[in-house]
Amino acid sequence: NAGVTQTPKFRILKIGQSMTLQCTQDMNHNYMYWYRQDPGMGLKLIYYSVGAGITDKGEVPNGYNVSRSTTEDFPLRLELAAPSQTSVYFCASSRPGLAGGRGRDTQYFGPGTRLTVL
Amino acid sequence: DAKTTQPTSMDCAEGRAANLPCNHSTISGNEYVYWYRQIHSQGPQYIIHGLKNNETNEMASLIITEDRKSSTLILPHATLRDTAVYYCIVRVGIGANSKLTFGKGITLSVRP
Repeated sequence: NAGVTQTPKFRILKIGQSMTLQCTQDMNHNYMYWYRQDPGMGLKLIYYSVGAGITDKGEVPNGYNVSRSTTEDFPLRLELAAPSQTSVYFCASSRPGLAGGRGRDTQYFGPGTRLTVL
Repeated sequence: DAKTTQPTSMDCAEGRAANLPCNHSTISGNEYVYWYRQIHSQGPQYIIHGLKNNETNEMASLIITEDRKSSTLILPHATLRDTAVYYCIVRVGIGANSKLTFGKGITLSVRP
């Protein structure tokens, strides 16, 4: 298994441009997540999805959109890039564990996309 | 906001045990404690989790106090590759509404 893959690894955008960050997982996980990590900080949840066709907002959703048309893919869309969106973006996936089971809802992370908006 | 507090940093000698503390005094009865780590520029990696019993796996041991208000992650024989930021997380909620909230974590530096 490749696990969670993200593309691109790096991207520089101009203010107002748009782009889609791609995320794919091959572990047949139901749950998928998008986080952003600013320098020296922890991760903040942007959006998450519990299955195809279902998405919900996390802690910092403004300026982003997501879709989940398949189990494998969970793209993150930036419509009007702003300097405040300069960050490293991580996608993650998990399989809800059985009650009390080991590895209960452990999240597996991709390698990240480093985005700079100038 | 994260429900945990951790020291900002610590170091240990290669080959020695690294004991990373975490306080979670407001933890509720059904909330799990998770530990993840993040090696520079990589995505976070799951280490271990527990509810109230001590846990051990191939990477580490997790010791949770009886009152569950604190825990310690133990790396039994730290190597240079264990240098990373370690996040102690209390998983709030259950199922689809549960979240991992990453704080700033503790930076562990393993010295030769």
